[in-house]
Amino acid sequence: GENVEQHPSTLSVQEGDSAVIKCTYSDSASNYFPWYKQELGKRPQLIIDIRSNVGEKKDQRIAVTLNKTAKHFSLHITETQPEDSAVYFCAANAGGTSYGKLTFGQGTILTVHP
Amino acid sequence: GAGVSQTPSNKVTEKGKYVELRCDPISGHTALYWYRQSLGQGPEFLIYFQGTGAADDSGLPNDRFFAVRPEGSVSTLKIQRTERGDSAMYLCASSAMQGPYEQYFGPGTRLTVT
Repeated sequence: GENVEQHPSTLSVQEGDSAVIKCTYSDSASNYFPWYKQELGKRPQLIIDIRSNVGEKKDQRIAVTLNKTAKHFSLHITETQPEDSAVYFCAANAGGTSYGKLTFGQGTILTVHP
Repeated sequence: GAGVSQTPSNKVTEKGKYVELRCDPISGHTALYWYRQSLGQGPEFLIYFQGTGAADDSGLPNDRFFAVRPEGSVSTLKIQRTERGDSAMYLCASSAMQGPYEQYFGPGTRLTVT
């Protein structure tokens, strides 16, 4: 089955700096890669996703890049703000007929210091 | 519109008891997913439904766990003979259709088995 590895487990930045979180996946048939933000005690919130037919996607301060050959994808947050502090999870869908099933990474605790 | 809802928000039960957790997906969403999240971990897939049928139940840990979606909308996750190791946050997500599409999570049910 799919295996998703996420790094780093914790990330501390100053307000205004950029933050990058990286994930690798194992199933070459995966074609959908969402990122979720989870604040303490809250539900995971979808913040951006990318499909395998594109290499990069941007939404304001957030961008995601995908390298299918190397089987890795990354989340980039620019001009970080304290409200960006949360746990971020990457995920990849399963290949084959169960392509809605998501496998999540272990999470990255992002802290943005004012 | 209304998002995914889950009831109860918290459930405390004694070891050996039976529990039911309910999920109301976003109206019109045909795909429904159950995940389990332990503290400090990413969500872990349990089962997903396309319409009324379970499309993939490979994540259910053992035969004490069962889920239904009889009318293709509301789903119930049922756990028999609960064990302390079942304690976790149970999250439900829905998607407009089966496959590599956006999944939106509910607030979860925190299950504690004493």
